[in-house]
Amino acid sequence: DAKTTQPNSMESNEEEPVHLPCNHSTISGTDYIHWYRQLPSQGPEYVIHGLTSNVNNRMASLAIAEDRKSSTLILHRATLRDAAVYYCILRLADFNKFYFGSGTKLNVKP
Amino acid sequence: EPEVTQTPSHQVTQMGQEVILRCVPISNHLYFYWYRQILGQKVEFLVSFYNNEISEKSEIFDDQFSVERPDGSNFTLKIRSTKLEDSAMYFCASSRAAGGQPQHFGDGTRLSIL
Repeated sequence: DAKTTQPNSMESNEEEPVHLPCNHSTISGTDYIHWYRQLPSQGPEYVIHGLTSNVNNRMASLAIAEDRKSSTLILHRATLRDAAVYYCILRLADFNKFYFGSGTKLNVKP
Repeated sequence: EPEVTQTPSHQVTQMGQEVILRCVPISNHLYFYWYRQILGQKVEFLVSFYNNEISEKSEIFDDQFSVERPDGSNFTLKIRSTKLEDSAMYFCASSRAAGGQPQHFGDGTRLSIL
């Protein structure tokens, strides 16, 4: 399975934008890029996913590099509730399983 | 918004006993999954299930484990002869389709083996 690399932790101030990077230099043409987050004592929560084009939804934006070897999850205005571990995951189109890495622990300061 | 529900939220079992963890996936979803997370560690894939059969499983999912969809709404994970190292959070997930579709997770069952 293609590997992703994320910083162990990041810190942000409340109401400021947050850019969470992910490197996936071995991505293949059929890998979807998924982002999930896990709040304390909860199951992983879907945030956003994409294949080639940038994506926006009510939670976040996903910016995908032109060569697809990296992506960035953008939270436009961080809130205290956004403090969580964020996982960047590659998922082959024909397969069902996710491989979770260690993710980035985001701390949001008031 | 529909969600995946798991019961019980916490299960305490004696080592060697069998345990069944229950999940109700989102009603129009066709793919079902189990994951586990040992305290302080990564979320690990166990098994995926589609059309009443296992479609993929990890090395963790050995003969001790089994899954079943006994009716149109429930999806269960059975662990036979539990061991101390089976203590973990177990998450159920479902998705409408495979591949690019997101998976929706429940809040998990904390399994404690004594």
